[in-house]
Amino acid sequence: DGGITQSPKYLFRKEGQNVTLSCEQNLNHDAMYWYRQDPGQGLRLIYYSQIVNDFQKGDIAEGYSVSREKKESFPLTVTSAQKNPTAFYLCASKEGWRRVSPLHFGNGTRLTVT
Amino acid sequence: SQQGEEDPQALSIQEGENATMNCSYKTSINNLQWYRQNSGRGLVHLILIRSNEREKHSGRLRVTLDTSKKSSSLLITASRAADTASYFCASRGFGGTSYGKLTFGQGTILTVHP
Repeated sequence: DGGITQSPKYLFRKEGQNVTLSCEQNLNHDAMYWYRQDPGQGLRLIYYSQIVNDFQKGDIAEGYSVSREKKESFPLTVTSAQKNPTAFYLCASKEGWRRVSPLHFGNGTRLTVT
Repeated sequence: SQQGEEDPQALSIQEGENATMNCSYKTSINNLQWYRQNSGRGLVHLILIRSNEREKHSGRLRVTLDTSKKSSSLLITASRAADTASYFCASRGFGGTSYGKLTFGQGTILTVHP
């Protein structure tokens, strides 16, 4: 079955450490996205990639970094510069970045930094 | 700022009743989408409505779009306990950097009591 896999489901880190969240898709989608979800605030866009080897900052990119070396993979690194990293992180993909088509989401990674 | 704002923030109904959720947005849109999220999971796409459409149906779901009022509504008829979830609207603007980017509202938490 095609889909998006995020791992791990839960992640715990100490303050000051970088951490990388994995996102893999086998839907052959061109575009991939990272969103952050905090309680009561909906989803906010961190980074997105419309095609391999290209990515753009979203609305809250500070303290995060990404890479898109393969079509299937779009890992997100939460750096120590991110002031409030504890959140639920959602990865999504879309068929063709220009197309009018829905997002397909993974089941998220809940990151807790203490 | 959030493009989509949902109303109400929370809705509690009995099984069999209809549930209506509203979404407002600020700027012109290319399309508007509704998503559902079960607790601790990723979002699942429900319906996409384009800016030149006024109404769309999918099973027990009915979505309307009023571009003059910059608003949309999601109606779930004959609700079931399994419809308990958070519901989000998401909108996409026109051209340029809006391509492929969705802006999400803060969501409506729907609770359906058996």
